[in-house]
Amino acid sequence: NFMLTQPHSVSESPGKTVTISCTRSGGSIASNFVQWYQQRPGSAPATVIYDDNQRPSGVPDRFSGSIDSSSNSASLTISGLKTEDEADYHCQSYESNSQGVFGGGTKLTVL
Amino acid sequence: QVQLQESGPGLVKPSETLSLTCTVSGGSISSYYCNWIRQTPGKGLEWIAYIYNSASTNYNPSLRSRVTISADTSKNQFSLTLNSVTAADTAVYYCALRQSSGRNFAYWGQGTLVTVSS
Repeated sequence: NFMLTQPHSVSESPGKTVTISCTRSGGSIASNFVQWYQQRPGSAPATVIYDDNQRPSGVPDRFSGSIDSSSNSASLTISGLKTEDEADYHCQSYESNSQGVFGGGTKLTVL
Repeated sequence: QVQLQESGPGLVKPSETLSLTCTVSGGSISSYYCNWIRQTPGKGLEWIAYIYNSASTNYNPSLRSRVTISADTSKNQFSLTLNSVTAADTAVYYCALRQSSGRNFAYWGQGTLVTVSS
């Protein structure tokens, strides 16, 4: 079993770039693909990144994902921040037996 | 376009059983991994279980002893039952679909708040 750990909150100014980390404890981050979900208040989560670094159609290219084996973590980077990006972001991956695992979520404030 | 809608009681008494149903439109549940995911107030998301092809199931080990997931393809619905609930089971419950060839939960219901209280 493994856990995904995210910072509780991050903040940045409009127009800037922010990176949210998701660190895996137990096993390699490269073992299973990582997804990222955006959740605005009162709404269900929606995919912004899947398979580590793929963007669904309709997601702006300001959103990008990566993994780093040296730190055993995944990252979501949002460039050119807009106030509409203010939301909670959740990383997600799988155990080897296909059981889902979520990080604790990160609240992004754009101020 | 695929749409999901959760339904079920919003209030359940402690020690009783929570039962929810997810009705899917715009796509056949036979083509998807059908999942239940919950979110406790102010906390993160927790994957509960999936059912695939009405037969293959997988459960979160921390909930396995109390959870059952089932599907009714004739109604294009899948369901969750959670036994012996406590206040710790108070959460927004989401149903979500993952395509058989994909890894992300591509489609989500709006979520339904279930409160466990006497």
